[in-house]
Amino acid sequence: ETGVTQSPTHLIKTRGQQVTLRCSSQSGHNTVSWYQQALGQGPQFIFQYYREEENGRGNFPPRFSGLQFPNYSSELNVNALELDDSALYLCASSLGGTGSNQPQHFGDGTRLSIL
Amino acid sequence: AQSVTQLGSHVSVSEGALVLLRCNYSSSVPPYLFWYVQYPNQGLQLLLKYTSAATLVKGINGFEAEFKKSETSFHLTKPSAHMRDAAEYFCAVSGPSSASKIIFGSGTRLSIRP
Repeated sequence: ETGVTQSPTHLIKTRGQQVTLRCSSQSGHNTVSWYQQALGQGPQFIFQYYREEENGRGNFPPRFSGLQFPNYSSELNVNALELDDSALYLCASSLGGTGSNQPQHFGDGTRLSIL
Repeated sequence: AQSVTQLGSHVSVSEGALVLLRCNYSSSVPPYLFWYVQYPNQGLQLLLKYTSAATLVKGINGFEAEFKKSETSFHLTKPSAHMRDAAEYFCAVSGPSSASKIIFGSGTRLSIRP
């Protein structure tokens, strides 16, 4: 089975720009979650998509937005980038959505650096 | 609300020694608990999970964890450390009412001395 893949692996942007990160979920998974992992910290939940609908959101401003497509792949969009947005962005896919205890399978992340 | 506290940001043990990584959780609902490992420049790999079945959970790579409700703990152990165990370890909690979002601890970096 194909695992979770994220692109690009590394990205450099400047303040005020916009960025789109992409994630292909593991085969058969219908749920995608996005996390932000700042250097030296644990991942922080951004939001989750289940069957193309947002299904939970963490404490992130509206300039963080997402999409899930019919094939369950997903995008994370960040507008008006700030220096503090520099982090590793992790995508995780799973099967089930709300109430599921199915494990989330993580990609290797996109390292975003803001100059 | 749910939270996780990992005691010790850095743990160092000798090769062959016992590994003990501590995790305490807070949850107003029966929790699901996880341990993940992260190697440099990689994503997170699930080591093991607790979902209200057996309190002693066995995972991959010889790791196990015991759920102790009275102590609100979910410590990770391995009887004999190997050099390849050097990595960052994250304890995490989620629950049925939280849309499967996972709350992670701040991580513990495990170093192995030859």
